[in-house]
Amino acid sequence: AQTVTQSQPEMSVQEAETVTLSCTYDTSESDYYLFWYKQPPSRQMILVIRQEAYKQQNATENRFSVNFQKAAKSFSLKISDSQLGDAAMYFCAYRPTVSGGGADGLTFGKGTHLIIQP
Amino acid sequence: DVKVTQSSRYLVKRTGEKVFLECVQDMDHENMFWYRQDPGLGLRLIYFSYDVKMKEKGDIPEGYSVSREKKERFSLILESASTNQTSMYLCASMPGQLNTEAFFGQGTRLTVV
Repeated sequence: AQTVTQSQPEMSVQEAETVTLSCTYDTSESDYYLFWYKQPPSRQMILVIRQEAYKQQNATENRFSVNFQKAAKSFSLKISDSQLGDAAMYFCAYRPTVSGGGADGLTFGKGTHLIIQP
Repeated sequence: DVKVTQSSRYLVKRTGEKVFLECVQDMDHENMFWYRQDPGLGLRLIYFSYDVKMKEKGDIPEGYSVSREKKERFSLILESASTNQTSMYLCASMPGQLNTEAFFGQGTRLTVV
């Protein structure tokens, strides 16, 4: 079974600084998808960024970027120029590729609570 | 705009009651999921469904059942609610294509007293 580990229950960063959230995963698959989701106090889960394992290039979405190390099974999220609105729970998630019937859901880490200090 | 709607944001039920949590998606997605979210434990998969009337157990199915009579609706049922089922419940849907993410409802915070 796949597992996703987020080793930082809580992180704090000054506004406008850069912060990196860690995520490691365990899988025997060679092809899969990785995601970072944000959950603000409204509880709505919002996709931040997505990475496809067969793509070596790290995904980037504006101030958010990932450092994907496939051999190390590491998938960290870097937030540049942190803003107060970035304060939230961040979840790393893994999705296997599937073929045919059945669909595995996302496997989530336990989350990192990100605090932005003004 | 994609939408997953859960019938209640907050729910208070008594121990032993039968509880229904409803989830509707308007995106014609094949796959639907129920997760439970607890502090320090992240999201854990209860059940999922990849087609109408099809269901599969997730990691923590005990005490729960599901129903999917129509493609757009996926219901989570607590046959006899217990206090240890007090939690946040999140519904999600995904299309059949592999390269897409899950879309989530706004969550239902269930308290069993």
